[in-house]
Amino acid sequence: RKEVEQDPGPFNVPEGATVAFNCTYSNSASQSFFWYRQDCRKEPKLLMSVYSSGNEDGRFTAQLNRASQYISLLIRDSKLSDSATYLCVVNFNDYKLSFGAGTTVTVRA
Amino acid sequence: NAGVMQNPRHLVRRRGQEARLRCSPMKGHSHVYWYRQLPEEGLKFMVYLQKENIIDESGMPKERFSAEFPKEGPSILRIQQVVRGDSAAYFCASSRHSDVNTEAFFGQGTRLTVV
Repeated sequence: RKEVEQDPGPFNVPEGATVAFNCTYSNSASQSFFWYRQDCRKEPKLLMSVYSSGNEDGRFTAQLNRASQYISLLIRDSKLSDSATYLCVVNFNDYKLSFGAGTTVTVRA
Repeated sequence: NAGVMQNPRHLVRRRGQEARLRCSPMKGHSHVYWYRQLPEEGLKFMVYLQKENIIDESGMPKERFSAEFPKEGPSILRIQQVVRGDSAAYFCASSRHSDVNTEAFFGQGTRLTVV
């Protein structure tokens, strides 16, 4: 079983729509959770950390469910510029980041 | 404050040659990490270094791969006798600290193509 699993998508949505997707992680001792964004052939960039209470950053909302070991990301009012691959990242209690393979989102005009 | 700098951005090597990938961390960052991303896969941890020390190389293949972070100069990831399966994007990240909540900043990566 992979440490971090994501639905690869792609999720094709019109501008203004809401899109949401999850990722699951295998290690129940995981401490830190993040969503990174990766544009085509570029480096991953931190989108947001994910906290136990859930957190929101503008149009982006992240949730953590420790009991079921999944993390979600919701994007409201999608923009064309939101088209990217979203990487679920988990830190298993040390310095190593474990990355999911990514969920591709394409926002169309 | 320049970000994490990697060079070259693109590297083409013939099978059997050596590849040297360089990474200069952000100013003030003493922790460097190397990750490899194969097509359609997530980034995989390779090695974690601090100045002059390899802290964890558990993700490095046992043969042909080595990494260093000298007292002066960039961190180097070296791949000897490259094979086609080494073709991938290699990303370097740096951080100020190594605790679990530290944000790691990534360089733009080196795309290695072995022909």
